[in-house]
Amino acid sequence: NAGVTQTPKFQVLKTGQSMTLQCAQDMNHEYMSWYRQDPGMGLRLIHYSVGAGITDQGEVPNGYNVSRSTTEDFPLRLLSAAPSQTSVYFCASEGQGTYEQYFGPGTRLTVT
Amino acid sequence: GQQLNQSPQSMFIQEGEDVSMNCTSSSIFNTWLWYKQDPGEGPVLLIALYKAGELTSNGRLTAQFGITRKDSFLNISASIPSDVGIYFCAGHAPGNTGKLIFGQGTTLQVKP
Repeated sequence: NAGVTQTPKFQVLKTGQSMTLQCAQDMNHEYMSWYRQDPGMGLRLIHYSVGAGITDQGEVPNGYNVSRSTTEDFPLRLLSAAPSQTSVYFCASEGQGTYEQYFGPGTRLTVT
Repeated sequence: GQQLNQSPQSMFIQEGEDVSMNCTSSSIFNTWLWYKQDPGEGPVLLIALYKAGELTSNGRLTAQFGITRKDSFLNISASIPSDVGIYFCAGHAPGNTGKLIFGQGTTLQVKP
């Protein structure tokens, strides 16, 4: 099993550009989440999904969209990038009833 | 929103020393998880706790789920240089399966 995979690993965007961060898991986990990590602030939940077709907002959802068309994939879209979205983004998945989340390696995004 | 207060923020210790860090919340949690993050990597799950009062070990690591369900601590015994990293507590609030809340992290440095 590859676990949780994320692409790209690094990305530089200009203000106003759009892009999609990819996340996939091969553990058949129902729950998937996106977090952003900023210095001194831990990880903050952006959006999460409890199953295909179901998504909900986390603590910091503004500026991000998600969809969950399959169990395996949970892409995060930035519609119009802003410098405040410069951060490290982590995707995670959790098996129903396990309460244990497993993280991908992260995407380091810089918006200039 | 709910927050976890993690302390200390950073620690600089001598190899061989024991380490203790803790996490507190103003509201109850159903689970407590402890993660370690190495530079440039995603968080890795160390220990998961499911019941108030539970004490669980993983090698030199021991963690406890506080009896009030509002706190947890992590101890590392006989620290070694590879223990260096950022340690995060995280938890699920009642009814929030799939949504993890994180502490701000404890940065541990070990002097050989």
